[in-house]
Amino acid sequence: DQQVKQNSPSLSVQEGRISILNCDYTNSMFDYFLWYKKYPAEGPTFLISISSIKDKNEDGRFTVFLNKSAKHLSLHIVPSQPGDSAVYFCAVRPGESARQLTFGSGTQLTVLP
Amino acid sequence: NAGVTQTPKFRVLKTGQSMTLLCAQDMNHEYMYWYRQDPGMGLRLIHYSVGEGTTAKGEVPDGYNVSRLKKQNFLLGLESAAPSQTSVYFCASKGRFYGYTFGSGTRLTVV
Repeated sequence: DQQVKQNSPSLSVQEGRISILNCDYTNSMFDYFLWYKKYPAEGPTFLISISSIKDKNEDGRFTVFLNKSAKHLSLHIVPSQPGDSAVYFCAVRPGESARQLTFGSGTQLTVLP
Repeated sequence: NAGVTQTPKFRVLKTGQSMTLLCAQDMNHEYMYWYRQDPGMGLRLIHYSVGEGTTAKGEVPDGYNVSRLKKQNFLLGLESAAPSQTSVYFCASKGRFYGYTFGSGTRLTVV
């Protein structure tokens, strides 16, 4: 069973518009959520995170929203820029004692000029 | 530059051959991880280590072995490579906070 699902393999957005990337998870015990960005031929890099005690975290153009009742995580990028084109992975910490993260399958974002 | 270094970056193996992937970090992180990335599958954990001399299995450990003899190094071994092990392999380390630092990956093809 996939504990973390990113149901959209790809997303295309016009430059300047909002990009919304989504992630669903299965277990209400997950207590920490992260987004990573990955460019081709590079390793993933940390983007933004949120604790389960919050419902929103903002960092510049990037905002992560957490809807615990729906077990849903989303990343908003406003405004989108061509340099944001990358694969975005959501990741969860499966519990307070967990020492590893579980990743979703990723969404390829393409921002069109 | 501080970070996680993976060697080699590319490798082609024949079925049945063996090889070792090396991961080195210079951030004094306790935790280290090996993931593989396959299309549509995301990042799946192979093995991980919570400190020097310790290792543990992840989600997809079969066909791989690991060793953490020194805190800064985490080795991933393939004893008898199979085409199903064709993938991109990422090493990561973690310090006090939740986020990982990833290496740039090793693209392995088994023919």
